[in-house]
Amino acid sequence: TQLLEQSPQFLSIQEGENLTVYCNSSSVFSSLQWYRQEPGEGPVLLVTVVTGGEVKKLKRLTFQFGDARKDSSLHITAAQPGDTGLYLCAGAYDYKLSFGAGTTVTVRA
Amino acid sequence: ETGVTQTPRHLVMGMTNKKSLKCEQHLGHNAMYWYKQSAKKPLELMFVYNFKEQTENNSVPSRFSPECPNSSHLFLHLHTLQPEDSALYLCASSQVGREGIGELFFGEGSRLTVL
Repeated sequence: TQLLEQSPQFLSIQEGENLTVYCNSSSVFSSLQWYRQEPGEGPVLLVTVVTGGEVKKLKRLTFQFGDARKDSSLHITAAQPGDTGLYLCAGAYDYKLSFGAGTTVTVRA
Repeated sequence: ETGVTQTPRHLVMGMTNKKSLKCEQHLGHNAMYWYKQSAKKPLELMFVYNFKEQTENNSVPSRFSPECPNSSHLFLHLHTLQPEDSALYLCASSQVGREGIGELFFGEGSRLTVL
């Protein structure tokens, strides 16, 4: 199993602030996916990054894949209460996905 | 129905019971998965089925028994579970091809409590 470590484990911020979530591993992945999970639901894909150094933007969310394809970050600008949820990173290898433990983000109004 | 559906959503069982979790995908995908989600731990991949053939069993105890009768249905049979097996069990499907694994589509999960 390829291990992925996410940090921080918990993050609580005020509406309008920025936040960054990190996903690190010693393993190389063919691609990396970010999911968001809300209470009572399964995770839902936000983005897939494939190329080392790739940066993808999804409205106020910016995703970056490390040059060596071992790490990734998720940055949220001007967070809103609707961004609250569990953010999971997942690395793809051998036709499987290995998940991190997740970062619980709470955005207070 | 669309997507991935799991039943039951909640299950409480004693350690001597036998129960089953059901998953159905309506996406035409060729791979299905069972994951276990416990608090503060990464999602644990339990079983993988590609084209109805089991291709992964991550040292899961034999008290968990998967069944994939066709590419749209996946079951997890439960027998003589332990309290530490209490968790959210997530089913997912994806389309696996030459480019590797695609997006995972998850069901809403079955919350299992073992007394």
